[in-house]
Amino acid sequence: DSGVTQTPKHLITATGQRVTLRCSPRSGDLSVYWYQQSLDQGLQFLIQYYNGEERAKGNILERFSAQQFPDLHSELNLSSLELGDSALYFCASSVGDPAGEGYNEQFFGPGTRLTVL
Amino acid sequence: GQNIDQPTEMTATEGAIVQINCTYQTSGFNGLFWYQQHAGEAPTFLSYNVLDGLEEKGRFSSFLSRSKGYSYLLLKELQMKDSASYLCAVRAPSGGSYIPTFGRGTSLIVHP
Repeated sequence: DSGVTQTPKHLITATGQRVTLRCSPRSGDLSVYWYQQSLDQGLQFLIQYYNGEERAKGNILERFSAQQFPDLHSELNLSSLELGDSALYFCASSVGDPAGEGYNEQFFGPGTRLTVL
Repeated sequence: GQNIDQPTEMTATEGAIVQINCTYQTSGFNGLFWYQQHAGEAPTFLSYNVLDGLEEKGRFSSFLSRSKGYSYLLLKELQMKDSASYLCAVRAPSGGSYIPTFGRGTSLIVHP
């Protein structure tokens, strides 16, 4: 158990719908990262936050948005869902600032499996 | 852009040694990570290299050559539970921060 929690574990929805995935980082971690993992794309970095501020974006679609709240939990919102959005979505957390140099181990949550029908 | 290559699949025998290679081409470099991921589970951290050389941690070792854009993960005394996907990830600068780019992963199958 990494200490990172994600809800829900599984989510089944239809095309065109909107869903929200939730992540609580390990106690004391200020950074949160979101990843998408599909069979054909591998693990793709989406976005990262540090203490409520967005630090960097990766391959995140405009239909997707995220935020980190004052209590440090984070939510990933996916809208206008398409079949291709079906994937495992992981959240990870770390102590340090993603913009800082040096070692910054990430601890991954168990993931949310999203199925779009 | 960032590019990370690693073999898709490898097989090995229980008790043997296996080396999983990773080559990368990135715009900048601030560390290379190896993660282990069992099917349907979260990746777990194995090792971190930022300077050239070998880092040893129990049965697992990781090597880095920054000039060659090359790393390998060495697994000794293989056990059946080592059957998993091994992900190489490079941390590189992007827009004032650092972001990780992951390889597609190497699926390791350990057989008796």
